[in-house]
Amino acid sequence: QVHLVESGGGLVKPGGSLRLSCAASGFSFSDYYMTWIRQAPGKGLECVSYISQSGSPIYCADSVKGRFTISRDNAKNSLFLQLNSLRPEDTAVYYCARWNAGADYWGQGTLVTVSS
Amino acid sequence: EIVLTQSPGTLSLSPGERATLSCRASQSVRSNYLAWYQQKPGQAPRVIIYDASSRATGIPDRFSGSGSGTDFTLTISRLEPEDFAVYYCQQYGSSWTFGQGTKVEIK
Repeated sequence: QVHLVESGGGLVKPGGSLRLSCAASGFSFSDYYMTWIRQAPGKGLECVSYISQSGSPIYCADSVKGRFTISRDNAKNSLFLQLNSLRPEDTAVYYCARWNAGADYWGQGTLVTVSS
Repeated sequence: EIVLTQSPGTLSLSPGERATLSCRASQSVRSNYLAWYQQKPGQAPRVIIYDASSRATGIPDRFSGSGSGTDFTLTISRLEPEDFAVYYCQQYGSSWTFGQGTKVEIK
């Protein structure tokens, strides 16, 4: 059974940093693209970034380029998102998801709150 | 960046009625790489349709997707109580972007 569990969210001041993790199980992690998608409170979905099986990153949102870094460790079945220079508008639930012609499995999300 | 515009913003219907949701792209979506998701309050989204018209695993056949190029449609043939939710389209032909969502509410 596919299982994705995010961790690492929390309250951080503007300009601060966080590292989100996503632990995957129940499938061959190294065979799939993975993605981070966020949702601000009461708002819609926004693709943050996605990463190929071999680790090539793509950043969907211009607002995160140069501040966020996606990475993965196939040996540890883990996906990461390093968030630097955080802004209040980065406040959102961050979901990790498996990509398979659509994001077919999602974690429960981790809340990042950027506030002074 | 491809901008996706969903309409209507809210759809008020009764159980048993047909729902038609629209997703219009600002430019043609390569290879019709478009997905639809359903999201209920407090839950992560669930993929309903991928590649514009293919139903995801476990999705009932009352859900169907159609369209190509810049105009796409999600149809729910007969609304069940569990179908009332917010629906998002997403294109993945050129980077990835989402529409703003359509809420299907009980009339």
